[in-house]
Amino acid sequence: GAGVSQSPSNKVTEKGKDVELRCDPISGHTALYWYRQSLGQGLEFLIYFQGNSAPDKSGLPSDRFSAERTGGSVSTLTIQRTQQEDSAVYLCASSPQPGVSEAFFGQGTRLTVV
Amino acid sequence: KQEVTQIPAALSVPEGENLVLNCSFTDSAIYNLQWFRQDPGKGLTSLLLIQSSQREQTSGRLNASLDKSSGRSTLYIAASQPGDSATYLCAVNRSGAGSYQLTFGKGTKLSVIP
Repeated sequence: GAGVSQSPSNKVTEKGKDVELRCDPISGHTALYWYRQSLGQGLEFLIYFQGNSAPDKSGLPSDRFSAERTGGSVSTLTIQRTQQEDSAVYLCASSPQPGVSEAFFGQGTRLTVV
Repeated sequence: KQEVTQIPAALSVPEGENLVLNCSFTDSAIYNLQWFRQDPGKGLTSLLLIQSSQREQTSGRLNASLDKSSGRSTLYIAASQPGDSATYLCAVNRSGAGSYQLTFGKGTKLSVIP
């Protein structure tokens, strides 16, 4: 595909369940970001992957959140034991050359915890 | 810690008017600054990227400037149209610490009235 693809586009889950959100970056992009956007709030950084380097996990809000990136391509963000405050839009972005090139965002996954 | 501020938070203008959106950041050690637009319920669309060594970038009716030393950027929109109505976000790509983390402002919500 031409752009960053995220799935699912919407997810409703019960409190306490685990969820997995998927991001397919643009082919060849070495950098991948996850952000969270809560209602009426700005974008909150979660995690950053760059090639084979150790990811920057400094934005993950708790140990219930984790992410992996397999083969330098697809990434999965996992939220365990979801809470209502986890409800937000989760956005993924990729960039071919961070620090030089633009970051391109997907359409996001809207997560609702009930 | 990098902080990004966007003023005003909301702006309403009549169609055809020229307008300026402001973005300020606290730490001038950046690689680049990127302007995005976000339509309701959608992801982010990249508008312009300015490298730290550049003063401005232009795309169509959009012109973005960067004054790194004073920590300011402006997005100028000429001859505004109703289709320009969206939330405009700026993000700085900070340097150092080996991470190309993007830090976002909270955005300016623009309404162009026909």
